[in-house]
Amino acid sequence: EAQVTQNPRYLITVTGKKLTVTCSQNMNHEYMSWYRQDPGLGLRQIYYSMNVEVTDKGDVPEGYKVSRKEKRNFPLILESPSPNQTSLYFCASSFDRAYTDTQYFGPGTRLTVL
Amino acid sequence: QQQVKQSPQSLIVQKGGISIINCAYENTAFDYFPWYQQFPGKGPALLIAIRPDVSEKKEGRFTISFNKSAKQFSLHIMDSQPGDSATYFCAASIAGAQKLVFGQGTRLTINP
Repeated sequence: EAQVTQNPRYLITVTGKKLTVTCSQNMNHEYMSWYRQDPGLGLRQIYYSMNVEVTDKGDVPEGYKVSRKEKRNFPLILESPSPNQTSLYFCASSFDRAYTDTQYFGPGTRLTVL
Repeated sequence: QQQVKQSPQSLIVQKGGISIINCAYENTAFDYFPWYQQFPGKGPALLIAIRPDVSEKKEGRFTISFNKSAKQFSLHIMDSQPGDSATYFCAASIAGAQKLVFGQGTRLTINP
């Protein structure tokens, strides 16, 4: 089944404890992206990647890191999480960089930082 | 700065009624406008999309109306069903840009 998977789905952590949220897609998509969803703010892009070893900042990149060492994986790293990073996170992928290309979203990771 | 403004934040409609969600944008360079549907516990999924060279696009019970001069577009759900209860996001993007700009979302509830 074609899909985007994220792990973990739920995570409660404490301020300053480094964490990684994994994202993997099995559709051979070039383009991958991370969003956070907050009430009243919609979805905001954190980082995106147009291909292996090519990443760039989105609208809200502060406090986050990403890497793209393999085409299928795009992990999101929080080196020192803070309470304002409590949010619902989504990974998405699309076939290529065309702006009209459908983005396929993962199921989401709900993160709580205490 | 929110480049795409969506309203209302929440909407309750009776079964069989018409649900209408509105979006307004500021950047005239936007030229692709998709709508995404999100069910609880799931990621958003593309529902329908429109380019500004047409004023309306219909797919089944879902219609996008587009008003380029007013910089507004809207989603109409005809004969709304309880299964349509979800959060809906409008979005916009620009050729050459690598991202979608999303609206704030509308939580739609269809009462049986």
